[in-house]
Amino acid sequence: NAGVMQNPRHLVRRRGQEARLRCSPMKGHSHVYWYRQLPEEGLKFMVYLQKENIIDESGMPKERFSAEFPKEGPSILRIQQVVRGDSAAYFCASSPDSFPEQYFGPGTRLTVT
Amino acid sequence: KNEVEQSPQNLTAQEGEFITINCSYSVGISALHWLQQHPGGGIVSLFMLSSGKKKHGRLIATINIQEKHSSLHITASHPRDSAVYICASATGNQFYFGTGTSLTVIP
Repeated sequence: NAGVMQNPRHLVRRRGQEARLRCSPMKGHSHVYWYRQLPEEGLKFMVYLQKENIIDESGMPKERFSAEFPKEGPSILRIQQVVRGDSAAYFCASSPDSFPEQYFGPGTRLTVT
Repeated sequence: KNEVEQSPQNLTAQEGEFITINCSYSVGISALHWLQQHPGGGIVSLFMLSSGKKKHGRLIATINIQEKHSSLHITASHPRDSAVYICASATGNQFYFGTGTSLTVIP
C-alpha cells in the first residue's frame, strides 16, 4: 500500500503566478487534510476535505487559496497570485474513516521568488 | 482553540542518554500524536495515543488525560534520532501542533 503522495516535491514560482499542489491519499482513504509549515514556525491546519466536499476550511487564508478533492484524482491546493509570504512547506495527510489517525505525505516545498 | 506547548525547544544529548520531551495541551482531545521530522524532510507519525502508554523499539510515549500532558521518551539515544519531534493534539476536525523540540544527539 503506497503512502501519501505529494507532487511536486519542490516548486518555484515567481510572484503573481499560480501554484498547484497535488496530494494523492493512501488507497482507501477518503479524508484529506492540508497543513502549512512556514519557515521557523510550526505546522498549521489549513483545510479538511472529503471527496467532493470541504468539511472545514477555517485555517485557509481568505483570499487566493482554494482546495478541492474531486471524485476522481488527487486533492489540489491552489494558490493564486503567489507572494513571497506563501513560501513554505505544504503537507497533506490522509485518513481512513476514523479521524484522528492520519498519515502524512512528504510535503511540497514552495519557494516564491 | 487548543494551545499545545512543548518543552524543551532545543535539546542536545550524548549518544546513549535517556531523553524526555514533554507536551501539554489546554482542552480535551480525542487523541494525541507524536511526529518526527528530519531537516528538510517529511513527517513521520510515531505514535497516536488516547490513553496510557505505547512502546515501539526505543521509543515510549505516555499520556495523562487528567493532567493534559504527554511525554515522549527515547532510550539509548543515537545520532540518527536527531530530528524535530512534534506533538499534535486532535480536537474536533483539526490538529493543533506544538512548535517542536529540536533534538541533536552527539556521538
